[in-house]
Amino acid sequence: DTAVSQTPKYLVTQMGNDKSIKCEQNLGHDTMYWYKQDSKKFLKIMFSYNNKELIINETVPNRFSPKSPDKAHLNLHINSLELGDSAVYFCASSQDLFWDRPYNEQFFGPGTRLTVL
Amino acid sequence: GQNIDQPTEMTATEGAIVQINCTYQTSGFNGLFWYQQHAGEAPTFLSYNVLDGLEEKGRFSSFLSRSKGYSYLLLKELQMKDSASYLCALDNYGQNFVFGPGTRLSVLP
Repeated sequence: DTAVSQTPKYLVTQMGNDKSIKCEQNLGHDTMYWYKQDSKKFLKIMFSYNNKELIINETVPNRFSPKSPDKAHLNLHINSLELGDSAVYFCASSQDLFWDRPYNEQFFGPGTRLTVL
Repeated sequence: GQNIDQPTEMTATEGAIVQINCTYQTSGFNGLFWYQQHAGEAPTFLSYNVLDGLEEKGRFSSFLSRSKGYSYLLLKELQMKDSASYLCALDNYGQNFVFGPGTRLSVLP
């Protein structure tokens, strides 16, 4: 009964390769996110995606591209992987704000640990 | 930009009370979140403050003072399972979230 799931859990690859991480949420949420958590445990938002509106953190290299086939999925594709891309990537989702919902608590997936050699 | 600061590490004893502080500089935000993250796991939601004051949820309470740029998370009756990192995050009107560096709390017997 997983709310937000990610695959794979671990990903080890060589520099220069292209890889994808998949994310699915079964909560019926409207917005999905990708976060990067580096070795110092800083959690930084990379993208948020809501009803086909993509908001990009301007610091994210364009080698990273989110792809959303439908509202329940937001995959992350990374081109030409670099050593500095090694981190844990978290997908998350939240419901939109509404009159009876003053905040959009995020539900996080279990994370994907990416190691670039 | 937005700047958030938290103590890197704290230690407390089982059964005690601990206060984890979060200070920030920002021109505006909707509210402030607190999340808990156990080692190797995903962050999980603890609390949200939009108005100044204290929000209580069982053993956990969170406080916000917008005028002072300050929030804290108060954990009472500490248990060993409370050993985790605690992250505060600014909610930029649901479009962007900026997380603090996190405070790693160790609860000792």
